[in-house]
Amino acid sequence: AQSVAQPEDQVNVAEGNPLTVKCTYSVSGNPYLFWYVQYPNRGLQFLLKYITGDNLVKGSYGFEAEFNKSQTSFHLKKPSALVSDSALYFCAVKRGNQAGTALIFGKGTTLSVSS
Amino acid sequence: NAGVTQTPKFQVLKTGQSMTLQCAQDMNHEYMSWYRQDPGMGLRLIHYSVGAGITDQGEVPNGYNVSRSTTEDFPLRLLSAAPSQTSVYFCASSPSGGSTDTQYFGPGTRLTVL
Repeated sequence: AQSVAQPEDQVNVAEGNPLTVKCTYSVSGNPYLFWYVQYPNRGLQFLLKYITGDNLVKGSYGFEAEFNKSQTSFHLKKPSALVSDSALYFCAVKRGNQAGTALIFGKGTTLSVSS
Repeated sequence: NAGVTQTPKFQVLKTGQSMTLQCAQDMNHEYMSWYRQDPGMGLRLIHYSVGAGITDQGEVPNGYNVSRSTTEDFPLRLLSAAPSQTSVYFCASSPSGGSTDTQYFGPGTRLTVL
């Protein structure tokens, strides 16, 4: 069965420092991996996705993620954190390879950036 | 484009009441889905649809009904609300629902069942 794990409930980082939000996955076949961000009292916003090709994926708001097949990981990174990056981050994997595939979400990681 | 819209934003129900959460998208997407978000559990799929007239169950379908009479609309019905259905509900859509599709989410409906 496909699954996603976000091992940290919360990540704290100072503004200007690099940040990493961790995600590991378990999926049969090719993984299709996504990151979403949720700001307080808002819906989920798409950040980036890995489908195939370059292991380093660049997304919105300066975020990037590195796909590592051997470690089955897809960590979200940003070189210099902003206070406005504080939010709830979800990693997700697509199940199946046909129409109607659903996103399987991790439990989420709260990122807190202090000034 | 308005994207994915949901109404209402907030709702309080009493146990046993019924209601419909509305979801609409103006992107001509074939695939639409409903998730519920509970603290510490991420988002879980309730029902989904790959096109008008076609719906299927997700991970947690009990207590919910859906229909898809048009491409644009995908309402979620609670037949007899229970406190366990207190949650935040998100509707999402994507062009075809394929594995590489990006899903776009609505702003959510916060439901409390007393």
